[in-house]
Amino acid sequence: QSALTQPASVSGSPGQSITISCTGTNSDVGGYDYVSWYQQHPGEAPKLMIFDVSVRPSGVSTRFSGSKSGDTASLTISGLQAEDEADYYCSSFTSSNTPVVFGGGTKLTVL
Amino acid sequence: EVQLVQSGAEVKKSGESLRISCKGSGHSFSIYRISWVRQMPGKGLEWMGRIDPSDSYTNYSPSFQGHVTISADKSLSTVYLQWSSLKASDTAIYYCARPTWDSFADSFDIWGQGTMVTVSS
Repeated sequence: QSALTQPASVSGSPGQSITISCTGTNSDVGGYDYVSWYQQHPGEAPKLMIFDVSVRPSGVSTRFSGSKSGDTASLTISGLQAEDEADYYCSSFTSSNTPVVFGGGTKLTVL
Repeated sequence: EVQLVQSGAEVKKSGESLRISCKGSGHSFSIYRISWVRQMPGKGLEWMGRIDPSDSYTNYSPSFQGHVTISADKSLSTVYLQWSSLKASDTAIYYCARPTWDSFADSFDIWGQGTMVTVSS
């Protein structure tokens, strides 16, 4: 099962908005509304930020939003803050023989 | 508080066996499938497999099938990840994770703290 495709890195200045893409196929991202996004700070476990494409778990800032178009999902972070600097991973339900596939991860740098 | 607490770091040699654990608390353990996720040094997340503690039914990623075994003891609210013969390439952090009840899919809202496994050749 191939990983979903994410850019290796993105950057932005405080207060700006950035978008991280996550590209799959119609067997995963494109075929189901079950895309999740995770934030991982160094030395910590991942944290769920978005599930089911655009649903924020309780406690997650409204600055984080998710969307999907075709085989590509996106995570948008608005009003960038220093603490947003982290690695971000997407995942999707997949119709293959594994129920979960992750993206390769994107390192967000807040300039 | 709902949490998953994993066993501590391990240092092993190639060829040795190992079992690490993940204990749940604060929730009805048997109603959630628990997954294991690998993170090799400096690398991304990889889904390894999962178990339904209520009946011990397992799914494995083809990448890990046959190399690891996932098991559960629901009486102890504990899930295990086990190797019979470790390789140096098994060096990684291993996380257990529980999906949110609010989604059909495995979207993991509860994670263990991670277990670092170091295997020397």
